[in-house]
Amino acid sequence: DTAVSQTPKYLVTQMGNDKSIKCEQNLGHDTMYWYKQDSKKFLKIMFSYNNKELIINETVPNRFSPKSPDKAHLNLHINSLELGDSAVYFCASSQGEWLAALGDEQFFGPGTRLTVL
Amino acid sequence: GNSVTQMEGPVTLSEEAFLTINCTYTATGYPSLFWYVQYPGEGLQLLLKATKADDKGSNKGFEATYRKETTSFHLEKGSVQVSDSAVYFCALTDYNNNDMRFGAGTRLTVKP
Repeated sequence: DTAVSQTPKYLVTQMGNDKSIKCEQNLGHDTMYWYKQDSKKFLKIMFSYNNKELIINETVPNRFSPKSPDKAHLNLHINSLELGDSAVYFCASSQGEWLAALGDEQFFGPGTRLTVL
Repeated sequence: GNSVTQMEGPVTLSEEAFLTINCTYTATGYPSLFWYVQYPGEGLQLLLKATKADDKGSNKGFEATYRKETTSFHLEKGSVQVSDSAVYFCALTDYNNNDMRFGAGTRLTVKP
């Protein structure tokens, strides 16, 4: 049973396109996250949602828009893709409310490798 | 603001060698500290954590002690195996300031 799943695993697209990455967790967690990992493996948080409510929105272009239809899903939509958006995107989740979740383990999905041509 | 600094990699060791990966942090509050590991082609997995000063986290032979006086959380293992080859991330979460930070990651390669 996959705890945190992401689709697709690989995404290759042209500049200017709009694409979405889906994330689902079956752990019953209250908090979900999106991270971007660049080619040097540097990991940066982008968004955090707690019970469908946006908690963290780091300095991310507004072309990136998270959408949480329910507690178990946090999808990432990207408009007008740029070359610099090429990276691996990780979804994660943790138990509890946001503040309590800070001390909790995060469970990561396998990642989505996005390549913008 | 908060930050995490890890020793730069890559680190290459022979099997059964002793491992230390340094991690220091800057925090305005009282953070919890974590080590995550990322195996090739996979997402991150929690390796160990410590939530207050002097706590020691341990798992799979890895250890790290939360040192408030030196603001450090160095990862150690007495005898590494080829299967430990991965990227290791030090991280902190700061309850009081609603913040979390990851270090840049350190790639470890263990040769037989």
